[in-house]
Amino acid sequence: RKEVEQDPGPFNVPEGATVAFNCTYSNSASQSFFWYRQDCRKEPKLLMSVYSSGNEDGRFTAQLNRASQYISLLIRDSKLSDSATYLCVVNGGTALIFGKGTTLSVSS
Amino acid sequence: DAGITQSPRHKVTETGTPVTLRCHQTENHRYMYWYRQDPGHGLRLIHYSYGVKDTDKGEVSDGYSVSRSKTEDFLLTLESATSSQTSVYFCAISYSGDYNEQFFGPGTRLTVL
Repeated sequence: RKEVEQDPGPFNVPEGATVAFNCTYSNSASQSFFWYRQDCRKEPKLLMSVYSSGNEDGRFTAQLNRASQYISLLIRDSKLSDSATYLCVVNGGTALIFGKGTTLSVSS
Repeated sequence: DAGITQSPRHKVTETGTPVTLRCHQTENHRYMYWYRQDPGHGLRLIHYSYGVKDTDKGEVSDGYSVSRSKTEDFLLTLESATSSQTSVYFCAISYSGDYNEQFFGPGTRLTVL
């Protein structure tokens, strides 16, 4: 059973590109949703929470579709510094359930 | 910065030896967690704590024990280390438990030979 599924990538994009990551989750009772960013050999860091109405933080937009159990992250105007692994995370209780991550590489 | 430190940051040990990893937080949060991260897997929960002396098992608890005698410290012990426990271990805290985001320490890279 794969509780949180992500396309592992890698996504290789030029600077300035728009890139979208998708994630599906299996537990329909899940209440909270997040995107984390993880740089190589570093800890995961919270990028943004995902709300039912969708939310935006600068160049980053997150969407949630509860009916389809689907979460997305859109990055506009990609920067070199956006290169990282992006983790889709779902919380159905005490534990956070992590996807395996999608790797993004932004090149100049 | 959630004020989380982990020690040691790197450790190499031999099969069969006990190992204790420490997580220390400075902000008095009630909830603390231990995860492991391995290639091909997402982060997986080992144990968690919801208060002093209150702990529970996660998804991959076999071979691990935990203790929390003070709010600020959460210890993870590998009772008899095995090569399958070679991993990166992350501690995390949560401000208010269920349904809320968690914040991670810098990790401990453990190699069991």
